[in-house]
Parts: sequence; structure tokens; C-alpha cells
Amino acid sequence: NAGVMQNPRHLVRRRGQEARLRCSPMKGHSHVYWYRQLPEEGLKFMVYLQKENIIDESGMPKERFSAEFPKEGPSILRIQQVVRGDSAAYFCASSPPDAGGAMFAGELFFGEGSRLTVL
Amino acid sequence: AQSVTQLGSHVSVSEGALVLLRCNYSSSVPPYLFWYVQYPNQGLQLLLKYTTGATLVKGINGFEAEFKKSETSFHLTKPSAHMSDAAEYFCAVSLNDMRFGAGTRLTVKP
Repeated sequence: NAGVMQNPRHLVRRRGQEARLRCSPMKGHSHVYWYRQLPEEGLKFMVYLQKENIIDESGMPKERFSAEFPKEGPSILRIQQVVRGDSAAYFCASSPPDAGGAMFAGELFFGEGSRLTVL
Repeated sequence: AQSVTQLGSHVSVSEGALVLLRCNYSSSVPPYLFWYVQYPNQGLQLLLKYTTGATLVKGINGFEAEFKKSETSFHLTKPSAHMSDAAEYFCAVSLNDMRFGAGTRLTVKP
């Protein structure tokens, strides 16, 4: 049973380019979460999605960042016109549909992350 | 809103010594509490979690944590450190969403 799969593992972009990070949740999981990790900092929540719906995007910058989780295919985190400050590790996590009444009541299963470097 | 504070960004112990990683939370109601471990260049793995019931929770790799409501703490302990325990440890609190602490990097000296 494959875990959460993220790709690419490493991505290098020049300022102004676009970055697309993909996440395939664990089989049977319908909830996807994106977090950003900066050096010496913890994980910062960005967005929570279910299939075809954004449930909570309160942690995502209003400009240049977007996320989707289509009916078919992986979840995508898209960063347009990247800047150096976007350099970070981006982690995707998933949870099963019966995670509980509270949004994050259950365990999150994490992918290995995508490390974005902006030159 | 809930928050979590991890005291000490770096902890160093000798192999065989006690490991104590501190976590305090702030929440209006008792939250769910988690400890995750992150090895270099990997994602986070769940060590243990507290939801309800027994306040002393045992996890993988010999780790355990005790939920103390009066102290709003959820410290992680292991009686005897092993070299393979060297990693970054994150405490997390979940109520309406999941918030992570800044992490504690554990170093184990031979």
C-alpha cells in the first residue's frame, strides 16, 4: 500500500517562473493538506482540500499561490512568479474520510516533501 | 485558537541517557495532541497521539508522552536514547485544525 507520493522531490526555478508540486494521497484517503517548512521553523499550514473542494485556505498567501484537488488525479500546489522567499520544503499529508468530526482529529500521513529552490 | 510551544530548539543527550522533549499547548478546550518525528530529507511520521482516555500514551520506538491538563503539557520521553533516535521532533495540537510547534532537533552522542 503506497504512502503519500509527492513529486518532484526537488525543483529548481528562477525568479518569475512557475512551480507545480503534485501530491497523490494514500489509497482511500480523500483529505489532502499542504504545509510549508522553512529552515529552523515548524510546519506552517497552507491549505486543506477534499476532492474538488477547498475546505480551508487560511494559511495560503492570497497572491501567486493556488491549490486544487480534482476528481481524478493528484492534488496540485501551484506557485506563480516564484520569488526567493518561496524556497522551502512543501509537504503534503492525507487522512482518511473518517478522520473524525473535527477537521484534524485523526492522524496525518505525510509525503517526503518537495524541496523548491528559487534562484 | 490553539497553539503549541516546544521548549528548546536543540537537545543533545548521550546514548543511553533519558530523552525529554518539552511541549506546552494553549487551547480553550482539551485538544488532541500528537508527536511526530522527521528524519533527514523525509516526511513526518506519527510517534504517538493523545485523544481521550489514559493520559500516558505509548508510541513507537520506546517513546511515550503524558498529557497533563493542569500543566497544559505533553512532554515526550524515552528512558534510554539510541543513536537512531537522532531526528527532528514536532509536537502538534489539533482542535479545529492542526498546529505544529517549531520542532526540537535531537542529537545523540556516542
